[in-house]
Amino acid sequence: DVKVTQSSRYLVKRTGEKVFLECVQDMDHENMFWYRQDPGLGLRLIYFSYDVKMKEKGDIPEGYSVSREKKERFSLILESASTNQTSMYLCASRGTGGYTEAFFGQGTRLTVV
Amino acid sequence: GENVEQHPSTLSVQEGDSAVIKCTYSDSASNYFPWYKQELGKRPQLIIDIRSNVGEKKDQRIAVTLNKTAKHFSLHITETQPEDSAVYFCAASRGGGFKTIFGAGTRLFVKA
Repeated sequence: DVKVTQSSRYLVKRTGEKVFLECVQDMDHENMFWYRQDPGLGLRLIYFSYDVKMKEKGDIPEGYSVSREKKERFSLILESASTNQTSMYLCASRGTGGYTEAFFGQGTRLTVV
Repeated sequence: GENVEQHPSTLSVQEGDSAVIKCTYSDSASNYFPWYKQELGKRPQLIIDIRSNVGEKKDQRIAVTLNKTAKHFSLHITETQPEDSAVYFCAASRGGGFKTIFGAGTRLFVKA
């Protein structure tokens, strides 16, 4: 059974805090993604990584950074959390190849107060 | 940049009726089009996908059609049931590509 696991289901942080969201997959996938999900806006890509130590900006990278030190782990970092980063964050992984599905984590609902 | 537009944003149907969700993509190099279903409080999961060399694919009550010329693809659900109620996302990506671009989602309500 494939698994993408996010470290926290719910998180409450204060404005200005540094926040780490962790994601681990056990499928040996090369590609990993971070999305944020907001009502009416769907899934918006923040960053993705296609290999260890490689990263690419998605559509809304501002205020975020990522780290991929090991193949199975992809971390999303909010350097200084702000209230407009309150959202549901979804991690996903996907194998290499033209026609492969993405597997999602259960999501982390982050509230910044 | 690339984008995927999805309509409608909300769809309400009576149990047993059909539901159709439509998407348009901008990147003409896209050749893989998955559909994901997200039930309330759960993660999105793939329900059906189609490749660009195929015009239609069916899996029981679910079918997807693709018009490459118009850069348009649709999800059709027949004989809807209350358990079909969920948010549905269309997506597009390039073969071997790293990015999957998602539509904004359609919230489907099936009334019993």
